[in-house]
Amino acid sequence: NAGVTQTPKFQVLKTGQSMTLQCAQDMNHNSMYWYRQDPGMGLRLIYYSASEGTTDKGEVPNGYNVSRLNKREFSLRLESAAPSQTSVYFCASKNSQVPYEQYFGPGTRLTVT
Amino acid sequence: LAKTTQPISMDSYEGQEVNITCSHNNIATNDYITWYQQFPSQGPRFIIQGYKTKVTNEVASLFIPADRKSSTLSLPRVSLSDTAVYYCLVGGPYSSNTGKLIFGQGTTLQVKP
Repeated sequence: NAGVTQTPKFQVLKTGQSMTLQCAQDMNHNSMYWYRQDPGMGLRLIYYSASEGTTDKGEVPNGYNVSRLNKREFSLRLESAAPSQTSVYFCASKNSQVPYEQYFGPGTRLTVT
Repeated sequence: LAKTTQPISMDSYEGQEVNITCSHNNIATNDYITWYQQFPSQGPRFIIQGYKTKVTNEVASLFIPADRKSSTLSLPRVSLSDTAVYYCLVGGPYSSNTGKLIFGQGTTLQVKP
């Protein structure tokens, strides 16, 4: 039982390049989330998916797109990376039975130059 | 979501009990109080959740007074490995279902030998 996995662990992009961050969970959770965390700050929600086939914007969605490929996988895409998107990105999933108990992946550290 | 206020940082020594208090004066009737722990370079980890009175698990205790305007996370006999950032979150069923957790800056706990 791996929990929540994310790939890649690290990535460096040039401004304007695109990339997709991958996330998968093996806990049969319905809800999945993407957050970003900037240095010294708390996490901010980018997008979430309450169930397979649905996605919704969070607090900071501009510059990102998401795809809920199936119940296990939820990807985050940067179409044209900008230096302001330099951050650590965390994916999470949630057991619908327990309010607020989310399981987080190890994170992807992204640098945009 | 109710706004929360907690100390930016705290220091402690190994073997001591640590209490971190969070203020949430405008907590709503249906809101839960949840605490997360985040180690450096890792995603946050759910520690404990409560609604009123006291909750205890294998990691921590959560004390909630009758007016629910504050809560205290208690870590018994801390060790060096408890050095982390601790986040207090308050929210109700809607924000739980949408995953709209709001992580503030948290409290950085430094445990010294």
